[in-house]
Amino acid sequence: GQNIDQPTEMTATEGAIVQINCTYQTSGFNGLFWYQQHAGEAPTFLSYNVLDGLEEKGRFSSFLSRSKGYSYLLLKELQMKDSASYLCAVRGDRGSTLGRLYFGRGTQLTVWP
Amino acid sequence: ETGVTQTPRHLVMGMTNKKSLKCEQHLGHNAMYWYKQSAKKPLELMFVYSLEERVENNSVPSRFSPECPNSSHLFLHLHTLQPEDSALYLCASSQDRWAGGGAGELFFGEGSRLTVL
Repeated sequence: GQNIDQPTEMTATEGAIVQINCTYQTSGFNGLFWYQQHAGEAPTFLSYNVLDGLEEKGRFSSFLSRSKGYSYLLLKELQMKDSASYLCAVRGDRGSTLGRLYFGRGTQLTVWP
Repeated sequence: ETGVTQTPRHLVMGMTNKKSLKCEQHLGHNAMYWYKQSAKKPLELMFVYSLEERVENNSVPSRFSPECPNSSHLFLHLHTLQPEDSALYLCASSQDRWAGGGAGELFFGEGSRLTVL
């Protein structure tokens, strides 16, 4: 089976840095994705990692360690608008899992003023 | 605006009703998906269409019936649903189903919030 685990909730204050972790145990791996979903809105793509290391995109960075089955999403200089659910997803690479995304339950981030 | 439009945004139906959800993508993508999002649960893949052919049916009950008349439109026909089917139904598209070496990320619509009474 495919297991994607991330914390249910996190809180942080405006201007701070927050790290959202994601661990996965899957039968194959062809990339890890992070999506952001504001309440009542569509999930939107944030980042993609397929090789080990850090990918930086403005205030957001995503890290991957394939050997540890671990990723994190780092949000810097938090803003109120960053309050949202953050979804971690792993893409399968073989057989019936090829190309398919397996999602975690999402981490609800609340940013306080 | 993600380029994927879903209607209706909200739907309330009885267990004996028949209704349909509609999805349209304006991105020129070749693959379209239906996902179910329930509270406290991961997104669940329901159906995948690639170039208008259904390539995956993830053990979804027959009371959900998808239709893909062309690469830009996707429907989910609903009949004799159960209260436990109440959820947010998300449509998504991607350039191709097999993303190859690229990200091939999904573009989601805002969803249709379904309540079954």
